[in-house]
Amino acid sequence: DSGVTQTPKHLITATGQRVTLRCSPRSGDLSVYWYQQSLDQGLQFLIQYYNGEERAKGNILERFSAQQFPDLHSELNLSSLELGDSALYFCASSARGGTIGNPFFGPGTRLTVL
Amino acid sequence: EDQVTQSPEALRLQEGESSSLNCSYTVSGLRGLFWYRQDPGKGPEFLFTLYSAGEEKEKERLKATLTKKESFLHITAPKPEDSATYLCAALSGGGADGLTFGKGTHLIIQP
Repeated sequence: DSGVTQTPKHLITATGQRVTLRCSPRSGDLSVYWYQQSLDQGLQFLIQYYNGEERAKGNILERFSAQQFPDLHSELNLSSLELGDSALYFCASSARGGTIGNPFFGPGTRLTVL
Repeated sequence: EDQVTQSPEALRLQEGESSSLNCSYTVSGLRGLFWYRQDPGKGPEFLFTLYSAGEEKEKERLKATLTKKESFLHITAPKPEDSATYLCAALSGGGADGLTFGKGTHLIIQP
C-alpha cells in the first residue's frame, strides 16, 4: 500500500459525459501528479500540482482540468468524453518537506467510455 | 523532446535464470532515473531512484545501475513472484517534475 488513495476504482460512462476522479496523497506530500495509462501510449504525464498551485503541464487535453484543494487532495475533471479517453488514470504524490522525493502511485481509476 | 526506450518489450525466463533489462534515455539534464514494478491492473510500485552515472542500488534480487545514456535492471536468480512489467522513467532538468516513462518490459518467470 503506497498510502495514495484514489476513488472510484472503476467508472463507466458514455461519450460526451463529464466525470471527476479523486486522489488523496500520502500524508505530508505536497505534490500531486496525474498520469494516464493506455495500451498504446503507456504512462503519460498529464499535470502536476504543488501545495495547491499548478506546477507543470504535460500532455493534458483542453477538455481535462485538475485542481488541488487546501487539504491537498486533488481532483481530475474529464469532460466531453470520447472513446479514446478510456484508460487507467493514476495519481502519484511526492515532495515531503519541499524536496522532489520519489513519486508513489495510487491504485488507479479505470475509466471506460462507451 | 525527452525519450525513454526500454528493451526487450517482453522477456520469458526460467526460475533462477538471471538477466538484465535495459532502459535508454535521452533527456535534457537528468535529475533522476526511476524504476517501478507494475502488476496487471495495479499502480506502479516504486523500486529505485538513481541520480548520477555510476550509481547502483539493490533490493533483494534486483540491482539497478546507471550510465550517462542508459540504466540496467539486473535480476538475479528470479522467482515466479518477480513476474511483472518493469517500468523505467526519467526526470529531466526542464523544471517540470513529471516523469517520462518507457513502455516497460513484461517479465515472465516460469517455475
